Amino acid sequence: QKEVEQNSGPLSVPEGAIASLNCTYSDRGSQSFFWYRQYSGKSPELIMSIYSNGDKEDGRFTAQLNKASQYVSLLIRDSQPSDSATYLCAARSGNTPLVFGKGTRLSVIA
Amino acid sequence: DTEVTQTPKHLVMGMTNKKSLKCEQHMGHRAMYWYKQKAKKPPELMFVYSYEKLSINESVPSRFSPECPNSSLLNLHLHALQPEDSALYLCASSSSRGTYEQYFGPGTRLTVT
Repeated sequence: QKEVEQNSGPLSVPEGAIASLNCTYSDRGSQSFFWYRQYSGKSPELIMSIYSNGDKEDGRFTAQLNKASQYVSLLIRDSQPSDSATYLCAARSGNTPLVFGKGTRLSVIA
Repeated sequence: DTEVTQTPKHLVMGMTNKKSLKCEQHMGHRAMYWYKQKAKKPPELMFVYSYEKLSINESVPSRFSPECPNSSLLNLHLHALQPEDSALYLCASSSSRGTYEQYFGPGTRLTVT
């Protein structure tokens, strides 16, 4: 059974702080990893993808992958109230369907 | 352009109605998906089309019938639904090689009365 695990939260951080979201996966064959942001009542929006070990930065977002530990994380620097949403971690092996975690709810307090 | 479009945005239907949800993408993706999402849950995969052929049906009841008329379009035909089928229905598409990035449409909020 392929699983992706996330802490459901809520994770509360003050405005301007770094939010750290974590995810583990069970399938060692997973090769592609994705972070989606989902606002309440809206559809998931792809914000980061990562495929190799290390860090990948895009603006205020940094995705980190450690395949040996089967661990993926998303850091959000200078968190804003507009970052308050549910963040879904997903993994896939090749062209197989995405396996989603249950999501972590982030609340950024002004 | 990473846009997937879905119509309608909202749909209210009775249990005896027949309706269809529509999805379109112009990213050249050859994999398209239907998901169902309930509140506070992750998207739940229903169907996968790969190169216009149904490749995965996650044991979805026959009252949901998917159709892929061409590589850009995906439909979901609905008939004799139950109130528990009320949910956000999401269409998505992804490339079949390379990055495999998957993009979602805005969804159709379905209410079954």
